[in-house]
Amino acid sequence: DIQMTQSPSTLSASIGDRVTITCRASQSISWWLAWYQQKPGKAPKLLIYKASSLQSGVPSRFSGSGSETEFTLTISSLQPDDFATYYCQNYNGYSWTFGQGTKVEMK
Amino acid sequence: QVTLRESGPALVKSTQTLTLTCSFSGFSLSTTAMCVSWIRQPPGRALEWLARIDWDNEKYYNPSLKARLTISEDTSKNQVVLTMTNMDPVDTATYYCARKFGISGFDTWGQGTMVTVSS
Repeated sequence: DIQMTQSPSTLSASIGDRVTITCRASQSISWWLAWYQQKPGKAPKLLIYKASSLQSGVPSRFSGSGSETEFTLTISSLQPDDFATYYCQNYNGYSWTFGQGTKVEMK
Repeated sequence: QVTLRESGPALVKSTQTLTLTCSFSGFSLSTTAMCVSWIRQPPGRALEWLARIDWDNEKYYNPSLKARLTISEDTSKNQVVLTMTNMDPVDTATYYCARKFGISGFDTWGQGTMVTVSS
């Protein structure tokens, strides 16, 4: 299995802050990484696919980068609607895996 | 419009078999590069990918749960069915189905169905 490790587990930030979340894969997954946002009681929402492609309808303040084993999700200017939990997901090969999640909370 | 909806029992007992149905519309699972997956999330915990069925009827499973899972498609009904055997209280979770098409991630999810396993 490919393990996905996110850091940090929790992040405290203020409106307008630049926020960066890291996801590391235990082996190379090329660009086959997606990022999701999840709010309590709701299904996850796709933000980024293929490491850096912005899903249609997602605000441009979200961006993704990286390849192989190291990836980042950046929110350029945190907005009130962005307080949520974020997950990375590997979809390389036959067995897919999620990271453990990063909760973005208000400082 | 693409939609998915999960259905199944809210409560099962230990050792029983769980059967969940994902009813979808707005796309065809026979379209090249389409797939439907099942994902679960225990209360307060992370997402866990369980299984997927692809447009060519290929099936793939989470290795740690493979022995207990079966995924299948009812083409005529636009449904994907997941069975999980030998249920345990640790399997208590919200179970989601989701669509993936081409190089994208899971772009559309169902609302989820909560399953509680009693001992």
